[in-house]
Order: sequence, then C-alpha cells, then structure tokens
Amino acid sequence: ETGVTQTPRHLVMGMTNKKSLKCEQHLGHNAMYWYKQSAKKPLELMFVYSLEERVENNSVPSRFSPECPNSSHLFLHLHTLQPEDSALYLCASSQGTVNEKLFFGSGTQLSVL
Amino acid sequence: GENVEQHPSTLSVQEGDSAVIKCTYSDSASNYFPWYKQELGKRPQLIIDIRSNVGEKKDQRIAVTLNKTAKHFSLHITETQPEDSAVYFCAASRGGGNNRLAFGKGNQVVVIP
Repeated sequence: ETGVTQTPRHLVMGMTNKKSLKCEQHLGHNAMYWYKQSAKKPLELMFVYSLEERVENNSVPSRFSPECPNSSHLFLHLHTLQPEDSALYLCASSQGTVNEKLFFGSGTQLSVL
Repeated sequence: GENVEQHPSTLSVQEGDSAVIKCTYSDSASNYFPWYKQELGKRPQLIIDIRSNVGEKKDQRIAVTLNKTAKHFSLHITETQPEDSAVYFCAASRGGGNNRLAFGKGNQVVVIP
C-alpha cells in the first residue's frame, strides 16, 4: 500500500447531505494536501497544511471545510455540495519542502446527485 | 500565475519505441519541474523531477530535459513497455514552501504491444 490511505474510495451524496473524507499518512511527513481532479483538467490544489497549520486555501468554496487534527490525519468535510463538485479528491503528503515530492493517496471518487 | 501546457494530449507508440512528451511553462522564475505518472484507476506517482540548475536527469528508461531559454521541459521514455501506458502530468513551481505546483492537463500515453 502507498503509505497514504484515503477513505471512502467511492462516495455518492445528495446536495443536502453532509459527509467527510478521511486521509491518513504513515510516512512521517509534515505536510498534507487536498487536490481535486476533474476529467480533462489540471490537478487543482485546494488546501495545504504544514505542521498542522493551514498554509494555503486556494479560493475554495466554503462548502468544503478541511481539518488537520495532527500531522498524520487530514479530513475534508463536505456539505451542500453541487453536482459540479463531482470529481476525484486526492490527498497527498510530503516531507521537507512544501509542494515538492508529493505522495498521493488513491483518492475518493465523489458523485453529487 | 504559472501556466503549464502539455503536448500532445494523446500519444500512441509501439512497444520498444521511444516516447517524448513536452511541457511548456510561462513563469521564467519557475525552477522545479516534476513529472507524475497515473495509471488507470490509480494514484499519481512522482517518477522524476528536475531543478533549473541542471539540464538533464536520467533514471533508468526515463529522462527529463529542460530548456530554460525556451521555457519547456520534456519527458523521454525509452524502450517503452505496456506498463508505461498511463497519463503523465508535468508541473512547475518556483520551489519552496509557499509556491504551489501548477500542473498540466496530462498526456495519455498508450503503448501498443
């Protein structure tokens, strides 16, 4: 396994639901990231945490709310999502320089109905 | 901000032949250039990266070359094998903690047995 574990692998939710995505890294890294991957688009950085402090919030709508309780765990809380939010959500971690040498998880495939 | 473009969007090669994917970037201050490989249904994985103080880097059958003047860098895969079939993403950044990676849209490489 990769060292970065994401759950669930697949999620279907209605626009009024509240759900959370979970990411756990077993690599001893000090930075964690949420990326959004949509078809035919570049990977979009959503949030970056370094040493459990948020260092980047890339103009993401407030219906996405990250939480990083410690350096090994990262959550993405979702509420009142829109169908255009359907995508693969990837978690990543890195050690040392932030935004370099990312280790990705397998992602959560999210469908918003 | 940085803008990264990849060409061609899809590349088909015969097994054993070489494949070359090119990326162009817009920010002349960018100095870190990684390549990620994503097989179908799997997570992106870093396969090679280069910094602007070197012009070429090799790792077994893959190599990356950088032309800072023209602002482009290329991934070279020699003796292609079916397991090289994947989407390859390039990215660029200024390096360092607060400089996010700008990804390209990806190149689909298909190796024909």
